[in-house]
Amino acid sequence: AQSVTQPDIHITVSEGASLELRCNYSYGATPYLFWYVQSPGQGLQLLLKYFSGDTLVQGIKGFEAEFKRSQSSFNLRKPSVHWSDAAEYFCAVGGGGFKTIFGAGTRLFVKA
Amino acid sequence: KAGVTQTPRYLIKTRGQQVTLSCSPISGHRSVSWYQQTPGQGLQFLFEYFSETQRNKGNFPGRFSGRQFSNSRSEMNVSTLELGDSALYLCASSPGAGTEAFFGQGTRLTVV
Repeated sequence: AQSVTQPDIHITVSEGASLELRCNYSYGATPYLFWYVQSPGQGLQLLLKYFSGDTLVQGIKGFEAEFKRSQSSFNLRKPSVHWSDAAEYFCAVGGGGFKTIFGAGTRLFVKA
Repeated sequence: KAGVTQTPRYLIKTRGQQVTLSCSPISGHRSVSWYQQTPGQGLQFLFEYFSETQRNKGNFPGRFSGRQFSNSRSEMNVSTLELGDSALYLCASSPGAGTEAFFGQGTRLTVV
């Protein structure tokens, strides 16, 4: 069965520090992988996506993610976090006409 | 291009009533999905429509239903509302099933 695991419910980083949010997935076919960000009371915004090709994908707001097939992972990274990055982040997997499945989310807190 | 539009943004209903939420997808998108988001359960998939047909369905009771019109606009209906139905209901449109989803800002439903 398809599933997405985000092991960290919440993470706190200092402003200017680097960030890595973890995501592991289980999917029977070649997955489409996504990261979304949600600010309080708002809908989700797509940060980046991976369909095929280069395993390191660049997204908006300075985020990037790396697809590692051998580890079934798609971790999100940012070299230097800004206070405005505080939000909830969702990893998702889809593709092949199947519904998109979302992880439980990781809430990011940024310390001044 | 206009984004995904959900109406109304906020709604207060009484237990036992029914409610209809509306979603207008991005022009040209034929896939519309609905999600329920609560603090305790996270983001849960309700159903997905593609070209007026329900293609995927989540694990929700029959009180939750939806439909899609020929112009791709979608509605979801919840009958016999319960307190536990209080949630943020998110609609997302996609060019195709399992591809990147573009979310509306959601409808905040409160059942009293």
